[in-house]
Amino acid sequence: QLQLQESGPGLVKPSETLSLTCTVSGGSITNYYWSWIRQPPGKGLEWIGYIYYTGSTTYNPSLKSLISISLDTSKNQFSLTLSSVTAADTAVYYCARHGSPNWGSHFFDYWGHGALVTVSS
Amino acid sequence: EIVLTQSPGTLSLSAGERATLSCRASQSVSKSYLVWYQQKPGQAPRLLIYGASSRATGIPDRFSGSGSGTDFTLTISRLEPEDFAVYYCQQYGSSPCTFGQGTKLEIK
Repeated sequence: QLQLQESGPGLVKPSETLSLTCTVSGGSITNYYWSWIRQPPGKGLEWIGYIYYTGSTTYNPSLKSLISISLDTSKNQFSLTLSSVTAADTAVYYCARHGSPNWGSHFFDYWGHGALVTVSS
Repeated sequence: EIVLTQSPGTLSLSAGERATLSCRASQSVSKSYLVWYQQKPGQAPRLLIYGASSRATGIPDRFSGSGSGTDFTLTISRLEPEDFAVYYCQQYGSSPCTFGQGTKLEIK
């Protein structure tokens, strides 16, 4: 059974950089697309960006200048960095696998449990 | 980007009743690339329906999806106690993919 687990600091200071890693177990990171999605407390879901196992990325234009997603196939991990954070970036951050290896299947069938990141001084 | 508007915001029903949730897009969703998720408190979303009408693996057949273009519907034929949750639609027909704001299905 595929499992995803987010890890990283739960508290980040304003203007600093948020960094999270998603570790994939029970399956390989190859041949699929992988995304980061976030959910502010009590609010809805926002797609952040995705990476293909080849390393190619696509980001949400609303965050494009601030984010970077990378992967390490040897560790079966992919990572998110979000720079210059503000309180508005406080959210549960989820990593997720896209529903099919095919390009265009940008929906999510496996999710991590989520990591709450609070931006506060 | 495509804006998805879900209605109603909250739906109050009893177990055994039929639930009908709506998702309307600001422009046509290409190839009916629309999915539905269920989210319970403290949990990640769970994929229910993809491609507007295909049930994901392990999803009971009381869940069904329909629609095309700009209007989509999730129907739960007979509500079970575990179905009370928040439901989100998401389109992936154009980038960026976007989510609706959610419908909370609560026990009446």
